[in-house]
Amino acid sequence: GAVVSQHPSWVICKSGTSVKIECRSLDFQATTMFWYRQFPKQSLMLMATSNEGSKATYEQGVEKDKFLINHASLTLSTLTVTSAHPEDSSFYICSANRDLGLAGPTDTQYFGPGTRLTVL
Amino acid sequence: AQSVAQPEDQVNVAEGNPLTVKCTYSVSGNPYLFWYVQYPNRGLQFLLKYITGDNLVKGSYGFEAEFNKSQTSFHLKKPSALVSDSALYFCAVSQRRSSASKIIFGSGTRLSIRP
Repeated sequence: GAVVSQHPSWVICKSGTSVKIECRSLDFQATTMFWYRQFPKQSLMLMATSNEGSKATYEQGVEKDKFLINHASLTLSTLTVTSAHPEDSSFYICSANRDLGLAGPTDTQYFGPGTRLTVL
Repeated sequence: AQSVAQPEDQVNVAEGNPLTVKCTYSVSGNPYLFWYVQYPNRGLQFLLKYITGDNLVKGSYGFEAEFNKSQTSFHLKKPSALVSDSALYFCAVSQRRSSASKIIFGSGTRLSIRP
């Protein structure tokens, strides 16, 4: 259990276009999901916390109009990179905490396999 | 503020020997501590966590970690390394809350096991 998927696994796009990345919790519900960005040979940088039914919380320095997050259901969060540029090329990873109803979320985040974005 | 330090960029170990990957943390209050492993071009896989209880935590693939509150450390260990253990390892910390908390990751340590 606790499987998180991402789609697509990789995408190549032209500069100026928008790209949507989906993150799904396949066998559990997740009120909260997280979006990370990872540069080559570097650690994961938290971009934003995605909350079902409410606005995402962005980390300092992350442009909310650039990286649009929508968490429309308990199993799906999407990240849209708007007007992508070559500097947006990166590995984007999502994670989710499993909800346990009244007990709240679990303390462990489960990660998706990542999406490699290349902007030409 | 929360922070995690992994002082070694790379650790090299011969197959069959014990391995240790170091991690120290800083957090106000009691921490949640995690180890994750990442294989090339893949997401992170959960290895183990410390929440409360015994300081020695056992996880996946024979790994274990020891929580040391006085030294604020959470080193990852394995008694006998395998070549397949070669990967990038991340230590992480979050602050205990009733709601889902963001996790702060260390810089990562690349573990290389030679045959």
